[in-house]
Amino acid sequence: AQSVTQLGSHVSVSEGALVLLRCNYSSSVPPYLFWYVQYPNQGLQLLLKYTTGATLVKGINGFEAEFKKSETSFHLTKPSAHMSDAAEYFCAVSGSGYSTLTFGKGTMLLVSP
Amino acid sequence: KAGVTQTPRYLIKTRGQQVTLSCSPISGHRSVSWYQQTPGQGLQFLFEYFSETQRNKGNFPGRFSGRQFSNSRSEMNVSTLELGDSALYLCASSLAYLAGDEQFFGPGTRLTVL
Repeated sequence: AQSVTQLGSHVSVSEGALVLLRCNYSSSVPPYLFWYVQYPNQGLQLLLKYTTGATLVKGINGFEAEFKKSETSFHLTKPSAHMSDAAEYFCAVSGSGYSTLTFGKGTMLLVSP
Repeated sequence: KAGVTQTPRYLIKTRGQQVTLSCSPISGHRSVSWYQQTPGQGLQFLFEYFSETQRNKGNFPGRFSGRQFSNSRSEMNVSTLELGDSALYLCASSLAYLAGDEQFFGPGTRLTVL
C-alpha cells in the first residue's frame, strides 16, 4: 500500500520568498513521485516527476524537488515565489505496474505582495 | 494537440437520480482514469480503462461504473446519487498507463447533488 503525507494544508509566503512544500511518502516498492498544481476551477497540471536516475528533478515554472530515499521525502521548492504561483499543490506516488496515483491531501500556497 | 476534455463541466442532480459524465482523452492516448475530488477525502482513484477494458479499480461502491469506447473516449456513470457524491470528477489520460507515465488531467466535471 502507498500513502502520501503533505505537511501543512496552507503555506503562506511573500512574493520573492523561498517556497518549500513538504511531502513524505510510504511505498513498499520503489516509488514514482509527482507534483501537480491545481488552479481554481481547473484540472491538475504536472509540475515535475521522479522516476529513476537523478534525485534532483527540475520542473516547470522554476520548481524543483529532491527525492531522498532515506527520508522518504520529495519536497517541492522554488527560490522566489511569484503571485502567479498561488494555487493548490498535490504530491502523488505510484508504484510498479500501473500508474494509479495516490495523492496527498494538498497544500494551498498563498502568496502575498 | 488538444487536451483532455470533459463534458459537461457542471451538473446539478437530486438524490436518487443517475448521472453520466464523459471524457475525451488526448489523441493517441489509450488509457483513461477517473478520480473523485472532495474537500474531505481529497483525490481518490475510481477506475482506469485501457483498450475498452477496466484494468484497475479503486475502493468505491458498485454505484460507480464506467466504460471505454473503441475511440478511447470514456464515460462514467453514478446511479442512485447520494449527497456525498457531490464532488469534482477528474478524468486523466495517458499513453499506456504504465508506472511513471504522466497522466494528463481534464478540467473536471463538478457534480452537485441536492
